Amino acid sequence: KAGVTQTPRYLIKTRGQQVTLSCSPISGHRSVSWYQQTPGQGLQFLFEYFSETQRNKGNFPGRFSGRQFSNSRSEMNVSTLELGDSALYLCASSLYGSSSEQYFGPGTRLTVT
Amino acid sequence: GESVGLHLPTLSVQEGDNSIINCAYSNSASDYFIWYKQESGKGPQFIIDIRSNMDKRQGQRVTVLLNKTVKHLSLQIAATQPGDSAVYFCAEDDNFNKFYFGSGTKLNVKP
Repeated sequence: KAGVTQTPRYLIKTRGQQVTLSCSPISGHRSVSWYQQTPGQGLQFLFEYFSETQRNKGNFPGRFSGRQFSNSRSEMNVSTLELGDSALYLCASSLYGSSSEQYFGPGTRLTVT
Repeated sequence: GESVGLHLPTLSVQEGDNSIINCAYSNSASDYFIWYKQESGKGPQFIIDIRSNMDKRQGQRVTVLLNKTVKHLSLQIAATQPGDSAVYFCAEDDNFNKFYFGSGTKLNVKP
């Protein structure tokens, strides 16, 4: 069974630009969660989607948004990029979300210059 | 790697010894916990989980202990190998579809 895939793996953007990251969950998994990982803040929850609906959201500004498609693939978008948005963005999929095993993708390394 | 913070606590063990990595969680309502291993350049890898109605769970070479009284979780790795070198995170599920991650512990296995 294929694991969680994320594209692109690496991205360099300039301040003020926007970016869209993609995540394909494990086949059959309906929940996709997004996390931001930085050396200073560690792993922080961004949001979770289940059956195309956002079920929960972390404490990030509205510049961070996401969506999920009917095939459970998910995208997250960051608008008006800031230097502090440079991070590893990780996507995790699970069958049901809460209380079920989460499996992570390799992440997308975003660098904002 | 990307997962290593500037001030991650580090545990150094000799190959073949047992390792114990500790984690304190914050929410007494959390009822599901996961340990992850993250190697440099990779996403976190699921190791083992435990629900709050248990206090111990064993996997292959790994054991997770849960002490709900003091909100403490530990991961024991038996016969630690060089391939176990990584950053280890605990995560707690707050029962509202959110996982919160600890800051991580770097395990360094000396040959």
